Amino acid sequence: KAGVTQTPRYLIKTRGQQVTLSCSPISGHRSVSWYQQTPGQGLQFLFEYFSETQRNKGNFPGRFSGRQFSNSRSEMNVSTLELGDSALYLCASSTRDNSRWGGYTFGSGTRLTVV
Amino acid sequence: TQLLEQSPQFLSIQEGENLTVYCNSSSVFSSLQWYRQEPGEGPVLLVTVVTGGEVKKLKRLTFQFGDARKDSSLHITAAQPGDTGLYLCAGTSGNTGKLIFGQGTTLQVKP
Repeated sequence: KAGVTQTPRYLIKTRGQQVTLSCSPISGHRSVSWYQQTPGQGLQFLFEYFSETQRNKGNFPGRFSGRQFSNSRSEMNVSTLELGDSALYLCASSTRDNSRWGGYTFGSGTRLTVV
Repeated sequence: TQLLEQSPQFLSIQEGENLTVYCNSSSVFSSLQWYRQEPGEGPVLLVTVVTGGEVKKLKRLTFQFGDARKDSSLHITAAQPGDTGLYLCAGTSGNTGKLIFGQGTTLQVKP
């Protein structure tokens, strides 16, 4: 079956601009989470969506937001970009069936560079 | 704040050697997962352990979850160049689904 698809793979933006990243989860997966990966901080949790509802949120400023659509596809948006937002943004999906949940399947990520 | 500390951060060994990576915390986790990540790609799930004291084997890889569910280890026997990559442990707490990642261990296996 198809994996988690993230688009675009690479993105260069200017400080102050905004950006929208997209994630299509594995078919049947209703949970989508977003993570930011940087060399200094490692992987940090941004938020999790399940059936179009945000279930958990990490410690990121309000400039970071997301949403999930009825087909489970998710988008995350970063407004007023700062240089420190340069990172690999990873999306992960799972079934989140509590009795059998085993882990997440990650996409290849979107590499965002802010100049 | 829950934290996971991984050690060592970097490991460079010769093909055929054994190694162990540790993941420690002062917090209890519901589950502990191990991922492997290659440059330019997302992490790939290797295993999930959920029961204290649980041991899982995946070919040459052995994963253990501590009895108190606060720590875990990954042991690789007879490492091969194909094992090269970034190994990440990640814990979950309660039913949040939020993964707390360790900083990772970069493994290089030289032929």
